[in-house]
Amino acid sequence: EIVLTQSPGTLSLSPGERATLSCRASQSVSSNYLAWYQQKPGQAPRLLIYHASYRAGGIPDRFSGTGSGPDFTLTISRLEPEDFAVYYCQQYGSSPPLTFGGGTRVEIK
Amino acid sequence: QVQLQESGPGLVKPSQTLSLTCAVSGVSTNIDTYYWSWIRQPAGKELEWIGHIHSTGGTNYSPSLNSRVTISIDTSKNQFSLTLSSVTAADTAVYYCAGDEEPRWFYYWGQGILVTVSS
Repeated sequence: EIVLTQSPGTLSLSPGERATLSCRASQSVSSNYLAWYQQKPGQAPRLLIYHASYRAGGIPDRFSGTGSGPDFTLTISRLEPEDFAVYYCQQYGSSPPLTFGGGTRVEIK
Repeated sequence: QVQLQESGPGLVKPSQTLSLTCAVSGVSTNIDTYYWSWIRQPAGKELEWIGHIHSTGGTNYSPSLNSRVTISIDTSKNQFSLTLSSVTAADTAVYYCAGDEEPRWFYYWGQGILVTVSS
């Protein structure tokens, strides 16, 4: 099973600042099958990025994903008030299970 | 617009079986072209994938839950279901149904249903 470690656990930033979130896998993620989700309190997660760097439908271009192998990054270029939330990475390997990371909380500084 | 809605009991006794259903609407084609998953999240914790099903009948389950989980689909009713047997307090969580045309990630999500395991 591939374990995903997200860092930092919490990121304290102000609106307008740049957010850089890291997701490191315990082994290389097959075919860069890595996704990022945003989750707000009391809501289901929302798919932001899939296949490491492709934005899901309706996602603003301030969200971008990069990376390959075991190391991936989600960048939010300029934080909007609605971006303060918890972010999860998720990988799909050559065989199940899918696994999620432990999450990074982006909070208002 | 695809919509998913979970339903089922919010309280299950220990050692009993948890059963949830996810109703799917708004799919432009039959639901059997999609992969449908169950994912859960204990309060304040990370997401855990439980398993998925495709119309071929093919299922894949998390190894940690494999012995207790069954996911089934009823394409005539546009719904799929989860059963989890021999539940304990550790199975208390918000359960989400989710789906996508790919098995690798989840674009469509239900709102989630809290299931508490307690006597």
